[in-house]
This record gives sequence, structure tokens and C-alpha cells, in this order.
Amino acid sequence: NAGVTQTPKFQVLKTGQSMTLQCAQDMNHNSMYWYRQDPGMGLRLIYYSASEGTTDKGEVPNGYNVSRLNKREFSLRLESAAPSQTSVYFCASSEIRDRIYGYTFGSGTRLTVV
Amino acid sequence: DAKTTQPTSMDCAEGRAANLPCNHSTISGNEYVYWYRQIHSQGPQYIIHGLKNNETNEMASLIITEDRKSSTLILPHATLRDTAVYYCIVTTTGTASKLTFGTGTRLQVTL
Repeated sequence: NAGVTQTPKFQVLKTGQSMTLQCAQDMNHNSMYWYRQDPGMGLRLIYYSASEGTTDKGEVPNGYNVSRLNKREFSLRLESAAPSQTSVYFCASSEIRDRIYGYTFGSGTRLTVV
Repeated sequence: DAKTTQPTSMDCAEGRAANLPCNHSTISGNEYVYWYRQIHSQGPQYIIHGLKNNETNEMASLIITEDRKSSTLILPHATLRDTAVYYCIVTTTGTASKLTFGTGTRLQVTL
């Protein structure tokens, strides 16, 4: 099993460009999350989806939109990238019945906005 | 979710036990204590979690005080590969539960 797969792994954008970060999980988890991590800091929640068909804002949602395409996929879109959005983005999934194993994170997308 | 306090950094000699403390004095009755670690720039990795009883798995042990206001993660025989940032997180586990990460403890395991 691949777990949580994120694409792309690296991306450089120019200010004002748009892009979508893709995330897919193969564990049949109900909940999915998008976090960002800036250098030397902990992860901050951008958006989450408690279950298919629902999305909610996290701590730092401004400048982002999300789509829960189906149970497996949860995408993050930057409509007009800004240098402040330079960060590492992590997708995660979890299942409330799956407490034993906690949350599973992807390997991250390293985004630079110039 | 309850706020947690962890030391910024700790050192441990390889082969020795690493004991990582965490204070969570405002924890409520339905909140669990979770530990994750992040090795270099990888995604965080689940280690262990508990409610009020001590827990042990193949990676670590979790000791929670009787009043649940603090806990200790124990890596019994630390190796160089355990060098990472360790996050202590307190959260509920319902459908709306979300992990809130602080800055964690940077554990350096040395020869």
C-alpha cells in the first residue's frame, strides 16, 4: 500500500500563477487534511475534510481552496500564488475507527513562489 | 484542544533511553495524548497515543501521570535514526478532530 501520495514533490511558481496540489490515499480513510510547514515551525492546518462531501477551514485558509473529489482524493488549489505561500505542504488522512494507527502523512510538496 | 509545552531540544547518547517530557495541564477528560515525530523534512510519523493508561508499542512507551497533566515519551534504546523533532499533541478523536502542532522537541542522538 502506498498510503498517502502527493504530487508534485517540488514546484516553483511565479507570483500570480495558479496551481493545484494533488493528494490521494488508498486506506479508505474518511478524513483528509492539508497542512503547511514553514522553516523552523510546526505544521499549520489549512483545510480539512471530515468526510466525503464536506470541507472546513483550518487555522490558515486564506489564499487557498480545496476540493474533496471523492473519498480517495483531496486537492489544494492556490488561485494566485504569493511569496508568503512558499512552504512545504503536507496532506494527511485519518479514520476515526483507526485510532491505533493515528494519522498518516504524505511525503510533502515543496513549493517556492518567486 | 489543550495546549502542550515541550522543551525545545534534548540530547541523548545512542543506546540510552530518551525520555521526552510534555506538559498538558489543561487537558480535558475526552482528549488523548498523541506523539508524532518528523525526521528531517519528511511527513510526520505516528508513534503512539494514550488516554490515561500507560501504553507501549514496538517504537516507544508512553507514560501519562495519574492527573493526566503531563506525559513522557520513552524511546528505550535510542539510535541515530531516532534523531528527529518530536511533537506532543492533545486532541479528541471524533470526526472533527484535528492535529495542532507546536514546535516540538528536537532530539539529537549522538554516538
